[in-house]
Amino acid sequence: AQSVTQPDIHITVSEGASLELRCNYSYGATPYLFWYVQSPGQGLQLLLKYFSGDTLVQGIKGFEAEFKRSQSSFNLRKPSVHWSDAAEYFCAVEVAGNKLTFGGGTRVLVKP
Amino acid sequence: DAEITQSPRHKITETGRQVTLACHQTWNHNNMFWYRQDLGHGLRLIHYSYGVHDTNKGEVSDGYSVSRSNTEDLPLTLESAASSQTSVYFCASSSGNEQFFGPGTRLTVL
Repeated sequence: AQSVTQPDIHITVSEGASLELRCNYSYGATPYLFWYVQSPGQGLQLLLKYFSGDTLVQGIKGFEAEFKRSQSSFNLRKPSVHWSDAAEYFCAVEVAGNKLTFGGGTRVLVKP
Repeated sequence: DAEITQSPRHKITETGRQVTLACHQTWNHNNMFWYRQDLGHGLRLIHYSYGVHDTNKGEVSDGYSVSRSNTEDLPLTLESAASSQTSVYFCASSSGNEQFFGPGTRLTVL
């Protein structure tokens, strides 16, 4: 069965520093992969998605992610975080029928 | 602007009561989904629908039901609320591969 693992439950980063969030998936076929962000008390907003082609994908708010098939990973990065990036981030894989399987999430705290 | 709304935003109920959470989208999307969010579990799929009169069970469907009588709405019903159903519930709709999420309903079952 498909699964998504986000190994880091919490990450604390200083404002202006770089950020990398890890995501590993288990899925038999070529995956469609997503990163969502959830600000406190809000719904989920799509940051970026990977379907095929270039393995480095750009998203909104300065985020990017790299798909590595050999490592079954889809890590999210941002070169310089802003205080407004404090949120919870979810990695997800689309399985048959447009359904999403989510990882457990990583909460990002930004220190001034 | 098209949007997806959920009501109520907060609900407190008692064990054994029937509760219905509303989800309404104005995108005219065929696909609609209900998830629950619990600490450490991310979002888990409860039920989903690919169109009017179509409903399907997801990963954690026990104790929940949905109905789809029109394109815009997918209400989620807890037949007899249990404390284990205390959670935050999200509705989503999609056309193609991107799902759009509502703001969520925080349900507390006492």
